[in-house]
Amino acid sequence: KAGVTQTPRYLIKTRGQQVTLSCSPISGHRSVSWYQQTPGQGLQFLFEYFSETQRNKGNFPGRFSGRQFSNSRSEMNVSTLELGDSALYLCASSLVTAANYGYTFGSGTRLTVV
Amino acid sequence: QKEVEQDPGPLSVPEGAIVSLNCTYSNSAFQYFMWYRQYSRKGPELLMYTYSSGNKEDGRFTAQVDKSSKYISLFIRDSQPSDSATYLCAMSGMGNNRLAFGKGNQVVVIP
Repeated sequence: KAGVTQTPRYLIKTRGQQVTLSCSPISGHRSVSWYQQTPGQGLQFLFEYFSETQRNKGNFPGRFSGRQFSNSRSEMNVSTLELGDSALYLCASSLVTAANYGYTFGSGTRLTVV
Repeated sequence: QKEVEQDPGPLSVPEGAIVSLNCTYSNSAFQYFMWYRQYSRKGPELLMYTYSSGNKEDGRFTAQVDKSSKYISLFIRDSQPSDSATYLCAMSGMGNNRLAFGKGNQVVVIP
């Protein structure tokens, strides 16, 4: 059974650019959540999608956005990149909407903003 | 005050020792408690899951939750070099769609 697939694995962007990250959840999982992981802040919740609808959003500026497609694949976009956006971006999928039974995480996309 | 506090200090132990990790939290609504293990350059993987207070054991791993003290623990018995990883506590409330994570403890088991 394939796990959660995130592409690309590594990305280097310049300040002011925008970036799109992709996530393919485990087959049959309809909930996809995104987290940002940094050494200083740890894992912080960005947003969660279920059946193409954003169900929950974390405390991030509007430059961070996402969407989910009918096949449950999800993308997140960061516009006007800042140096502080450098982080590991993790996608997680689950069968149900609640996080109560845990997620399955992908290996992440390492974004470096220079 | 952060919702979840986990002293992020690294921990080095000799092989075979017991590893003890803990987290405290402030949100009384949390009812689901998890421990994730994250190897370098990988995403976190679910290690232990506990609902409400109590203990849960799985092989060499034991998770404890004390809701009255808002304190959770993870014990690793007979630690192995393969247990070297970062351990993150996580928790959520009923019907919540997000997990609140601790910052993680880097554990190194020395052969």
